[in-house]
Amino acid sequence: AQSVTQPDIHITVSEGASLELRCNYSYGATPYLFWYVQSPGQGLQLLLKYFSGDTLVQGIKGFEAEFKRSQSSFNLRKPSVHWSDAAEYFCAVGARSGANNLFFGTGTRLTVIP
Amino acid sequence: DAGITQSPRHKVTETGTPVTLRCHQTENHRYMYWYRQDPGHGLRLIHYSYGVKDTDKGEVSDGYSVSRSKTEDFLLTLESATSSQTSVYFCAISAGFSGQSYEQYFGPGTRLTVT
Repeated sequence: AQSVTQPDIHITVSEGASLELRCNYSYGATPYLFWYVQSPGQGLQLLLKYFSGDTLVQGIKGFEAEFKRSQSSFNLRKPSVHWSDAAEYFCAVGARSGANNLFFGTGTRLTVIP
Repeated sequence: DAGITQSPRHKVTETGTPVTLRCHQTENHRYMYWYRQDPGHGLRLIHYSYGVKDTDKGEVSDGYSVSRSKTEDFLLTLESATSSQTSVYFCAISAGFSGQSYEQYFGPGTRLTVT
């Protein structure tokens, strides 16, 4: 069965600092991997996705993530955080079959301080 | 943004009453999903649909039923609401493999409070 672990419940960074949010997954084969962002009171917006090929994927808003099969990880990074990046971030894993059901991590809340 | 609307956006109801939430899409996507979001749990799949009249259970389906009579509409029903069903409910859509687009797009959510 699929599962996702986001070990950091809350992270605080200074504006302009770099960011890395951790995501580890459990899945018996090569998964589909996603990062979503949720601003307060809003729905989820897709930041980026990994299906196959290049293990470093670029997303919107300057985010990137790297798939590391050996570590079962898909960490999200950004070189310079902006105050508008404050939100909750969710990692998700999906099966490569059927209805594409997603399993989500519990999320990491990002606070950005000036 | 994907054309997904949810109604109502907010609802307060009493324990034991039936509640129906509606998800409407304008993208003609095959797959539709209902999730609930609770602190410390992330999002968990309740039910999903892979076509008109074709639905299946997700991870937390007890106490919920769904129906899909048209491609564009997916209804979630709480037959007899309980306080444990107080949550934020999100609808999502996906074109799936046939559309070569695997990702899911989410609606704005419905905040349901059961008193």
